[in-house]
Amino acid sequence: GAGVSQSPSNKVTEKGKDVELRCDPISGHTALYWYRQSLGQGLEFLIYFQGNSAPDKSGLPSDRFSAERTGGSVSTLTIQRTQQEDSAVYLCASSLETNEQFFGPGTRLTVL
Amino acid sequence: KQEVTQIPAALSVPEGENLVLNCSFTDSAIYNLQWFRQDPGKGLTSLLLIQSSQREQTSGRLNASLDKSSGRSTLYIAASQPGDSATYLCAVVGGSYIPTFGRGTSLIVHP
Repeated sequence: GAGVSQSPSNKVTEKGKDVELRCDPISGHTALYWYRQSLGQGLEFLIYFQGNSAPDKSGLPSDRFSAERTGGSVSTLTIQRTQQEDSAVYLCASSLETNEQFFGPGTRLTVL
Repeated sequence: KQEVTQIPAALSVPEGENLVLNCSFTDSAIYNLQWFRQDPGKGLTSLLLIQSSQREQTSGRLNASLDKSSGRSTLYIAASQPGDSATYLCAVVGGSYIPTFGRGTSLIVHP
């Protein structure tokens, strides 16, 4: 079956613009996670969705970041008024309940 | 707050060697622990998942063990090959269900 997919694979934007990153989880997976990986840094947790529960937004670095998950499936991470420090690889993962996580290939965001 | 440490940070070995990668965590109240590999410019690939009630898991040449009381997990790679070259990450999930990742071990296996 299909794995986790993310789009776009690469995004170059200008400082101050808004961007939307998309994640399609594995069908039937109830949990969805967003992470950020900066050059030379570890994985930074951003937000966690589990079923119909309120998302855990404790990892979002500022109010410029938001995410939604529609119909318990596709998720969109939005970054408003992008800054150069937002440049990173954004990774999405899904799992069945809180079991084994499966990652997408990531979106590389470059803010000029 | 959970902290996860991976030692060594980098490792370079000749082909054929057996390897042990270490992952330690500070809070033993975990739900599960997962090992991943990451190739340059790629996402993470799941290798093994160990539930808190388990002591080890095996897949092919890989064996992962878990000792909750000492806050440690090891990933054993038998008969290493150049294709094993990658960064290996461990992630610990606790009661909050938010995974905490280590910084990884960068492995190079040279022919």
